[in-house]
Amino acid sequence: KNEVEQSPQNLTAQEGEFITINCSYSVGISALHWLQQHPGGGIVSLFMLSSGKKKHGRLIATINIQEKHSSLHITASHPRDSAVYICAVRLPRGSNYKLTFGKGTLLTVNP
Amino acid sequence: DAGVIQSPRHEVTEMGQEVTLRCKPISGHNSLFWYRQTMMRGLELLIYFNNNVPIDDSGMPEDRFSAKMPNASFSTLKIQPSEPRDSAVYFCASSLHRDAEAFFGQGTRLTVV
Repeated sequence: KNEVEQSPQNLTAQEGEFITINCSYSVGISALHWLQQHPGGGIVSLFMLSSGKKKHGRLIATINIQEKHSSLHITASHPRDSAVYICAVRLPRGSNYKLTFGKGTLLTVNP
Repeated sequence: DAGVIQSPRHEVTEMGQEVTLRCKPISGHNSLFWYRQTMMRGLELLIYFNNNVPIDDSGMPEDRFSAKMPNASFSTLKIQPSEPRDSAVYFCASSLHRDAEAFFGQGTRLTVV
């Protein structure tokens, strides 16, 4: 069983819809990252968080450490948001350089 | 800063050939990571350097893979000899320190035929 589980694996939405991508993990962590990867493209870091909530433009990331769960929300979605969104957790203490990645969520936003 | 720079962007090579992937991290970052991305396994850490010293190479699949970081501004990942199962996208990333936000390069898409 993967230590980092994302849901859904695939998501199709209409432009303007509110989108939620979920990430659950089974290990203790020091931080959680949300990454974005466009088809054939590089990987961009969206958020790094260890508690609470962060917001950047139309993107919001939340984390519940007790429940080992994080969500990425996109408000007023747009076709340019179409990408793979990857959740990654950072192990604590001596291994805090290590990221364990989820398999990603493929988001397609249709106009 | 131009970000993390990787070269080449695409590499097609024949089985048995040597392949060298290159990475220039962001200036001032002391941590450098090589990752491999495949459809089956997603992103996996191959090796981690801190201040040019390899700290964790437990993710390197086998002896055919080697990585070096001769100075703070350059790293290579070499596969010799290459095999079709090495086909993947290889990413280099750097960060200010070991547990800071990582910045990824554009990746090198390797195809071994």
